[in-house]
Amino acid sequence: SQQGEEDPQALSIQEGENATMNCSYKTSINNLQWYRQNSGRGLVHLILIRSNEREKHSGRLRVTLDTSKKSSSLLITASRAADTASYFCATDAKGGSEKLVFGKGTKLTVNP
Amino acid sequence: DTEVTQTPKHLVMGMTNKKSLKCEQHMGHRAMYWYKQKAKKPPELMFVYSYEKLSINESVPSRFSPECPNSSLLNLHLHALQPEDSALYLCASSQDRIQETQYFGPGTRLLVL
Repeated sequence: SQQGEEDPQALSIQEGENATMNCSYKTSINNLQWYRQNSGRGLVHLILIRSNEREKHSGRLRVTLDTSKKSSSLLITASRAADTASYFCATDAKGGSEKLVFGKGTKLTVNP
Repeated sequence: DTEVTQTPKHLVMGMTNKKSLKCEQHMGHRAMYWYKQKAKKPPELMFVYSYEKLSINESVPSRFSPECPNSSLLNLHLHALQPEDSALYLCASSQDRIQETQYFGPGTRLLVL
């Protein structure tokens, strides 16, 4: 299975702290994406990192990709209560079926 | 406009009912998707339409029938569903390839009684 596995499954931090979530996957990929989902709502795209990239930033988000370890991390700096959500990584298999497969997700709670 | 809209937001139906979920985007995207998401699980791909043609059916039961009337609209017709089909149904779109950024609608929360 190509499915990404995020860890931790759940993370609870205080406002202002940094949050780090990790994603591991099994096959070679073209891209890896991170999405956020507020409770019971649609997913929002956060960032896409290509297989030839190692790091990418977007505002308070920093994503790294290590293709040798088949892993990625998402760092949210200076977290806010509004960052409370589930975070999913999603991968597409290089040369594989044309679909995006989502990991199991990390539930982040930021306490005010 | 970077919005994907879905109607209805909530739907309750009996196992003998026929209903349809609707999805619309006006971003000029040529790939559209249906996902099913159970509580505390990741979204699972059901169908992919590329340039208005069905390109992927993830072995979804025939009681789910997708339709793409034009490049902006995507429907999911439901018939004779089972209680285990209760879930959040998400529509998404991307420029033209599944590996690209996908834009999701807010979903339809379906309850089958």
